[in-house]
Amino acid sequence: DIVMTQSPDSLAVSLGERATVNCRSSQSVLYRSNSKNCLAWYQQKAGQPPKLLIYWASTRESGVPDRFSGSGSGTDFTLTISSLQAEDVAVYYCQQYYTDPRSFGQGTKVEIK
Amino acid sequence: EVQLVESGGGLVKPGGSLRLSCAASGFTLSIYTMHWVRQAPGKGLEWVSSISTSSSYISYADSVKGRFTVSRDNARNSLYLDMNSLRAEDTAVYSCAREGSRPGVGDAFDIWGQGTRVSVSS
Repeated sequence: DIVMTQSPDSLAVSLGERATVNCRSSQSVLYRSNSKNCLAWYQQKAGQPPKLLIYWASTRESGVPDRFSGSGSGTDFTLTISSLQAEDVAVYYCQQYYTDPRSFGQGTKVEIK
Repeated sequence: EVQLVESGGGLVKPGGSLRLSCAASGFTLSIYTMHWVRQAPGKGLEWVSSISTSSSYISYADSVKGRFTVSRDNARNSLYLDMNSLRAEDTAVYSCAREGSRPGVGDAFDIWGQGTRVSVSS
C-alpha cells in the first residue's frame, strides 16, 4: 500500500501571505504511460465534504482560483496558496490515485495568523 | 445539478448491520467508477471501497474487507454499501464520491456527497 504523509500538520499564515503544504508518497505515483502524477489535492472546510482543487499534481480543477497551485513529481508534492484569503481556512488533503487503496494524507489545517 | 446524496446512516449496536445508499442525479452513474470514503469524528479521510462501472472490479480497504460489500444499480443511478459486523471504530461520516473519467490508471474524486453519519455504540 502507498502511504501518504503530509507536513506540517497545521500552519498559520497571515492574510495575503503564502501557504505551503507538502505531501510525500511512500512510492512513486508517476504513471509512465502518460507521464502524469496520480496525485490530487482537496480542500475541506468545516462541516462540508472535500472539494477537488488539483489533479495530476498540478492541474487546477475548473473554477478553482489561480492562487492555488500544485507542483512536484514522483514522490514529493507541494500545494501552494500564493496569497492566503480568509475563505481558504480549511483542512487540505493530498491523495494518490495510482493504485488501490486510494490513500489520503493525514491532512494539514491552514489557519489565519 | 450534479449531485450525490447519501442516506441510511444511524445508530447501531456493535455487531449490527446497516445499508447505506447513494443517489446520483444530474449525470449518468453508469459511466463512472464510484467510491465510498469515511471520516471518523475529528479525523482525516479514509478510503473504504471502490466499484467499477460494470461492477467487474471491486476493491476494499483492509479495515472493512470481509465485512462491507459495495454494489451499484446503474438503472436506478444508485450506489450501495452493506455494512455487517459493525465495530465502534466504524463510527464515521460515510460519503460517496465520483471518480473522474479522464483517461489513465485512475482519476481524482470530482464530486462528493455530503455524507451520512454512522454511529456504532451499545
